[in-house]
Amino acid sequence: NAGVMQNPRHLVRRRGQEARLRCSPMKGHSHVYWYRQLPEEGLKFMVYLQKENIIDESGMPKERFSAEFPKEGPSILRIQQVVRGDSAAYFCASSPPVIETNYGYTFGSGTRLTVV
Amino acid sequence: KNEVEQSPQNLTAQEGEFITINCSYSVGISALHWLQQHPGGGIVSLFMLSSGKKKHGRLIATINIQEKHSSLHITASHPRDSAVYICAVRSWAGGTSYGKLTFGQGTILTVHP
Repeated sequence: NAGVMQNPRHLVRRRGQEARLRCSPMKGHSHVYWYRQLPEEGLKFMVYLQKENIIDESGMPKERFSAEFPKEGPSILRIQQVVRGDSAAYFCASSPPVIETNYGYTFGSGTRLTVV
Repeated sequence: KNEVEQSPQNLTAQEGEFITINCSYSVGISALHWLQQHPGGGIVSLFMLSSGKKKHGRLIATINIQEKHSSLHITASHPRDSAVYICAVRSWAGGTSYGKLTFGQGTILTVHP
């Protein structure tokens, strides 16, 4: 039973390019969360999605960032026209609708985005 | 003031010492998580608590809902315990436990041999 799969592990983009980060939740998990960890800072919530629905995007920057979790396939976090300040580790987590144990909330290994 | 505060921010110990990391929060929660992150690594969920105490190996986590406080203890610490330990809380939304986490700033633990 594979855990939460994120790819790529490392992504380098030039300023102005687009970054696409993928997250495949654990089998049986229908809820996906994206978090960002800026250098020397703590983790911050970005967006909470269920299949085909955005539940809470209160942590998403107003411009250039978008997220989706389609009926089929992984969740995608998309950053358009990246800037150096977008360089960070982006973590995805997944859970079932009801979280009963700590194993019910599982993190991926993260994508380290570097903007040059 | 952050909704979730951890102390200390940095902790250095000698191998074998008993370690305590504290977490205080200011919001109503449905559950509290303790997470571990190694440098450059992923995040591992150690515990999820909504009341009382849990133990796993050398790790013990406690929570006092009335005082809005949780502690993570490591007994007989080892250099491989060196990592960042993060407290995170889940709140309620519309009567159901909400999945979104709010994090403390983390405690950097270094255990020397």
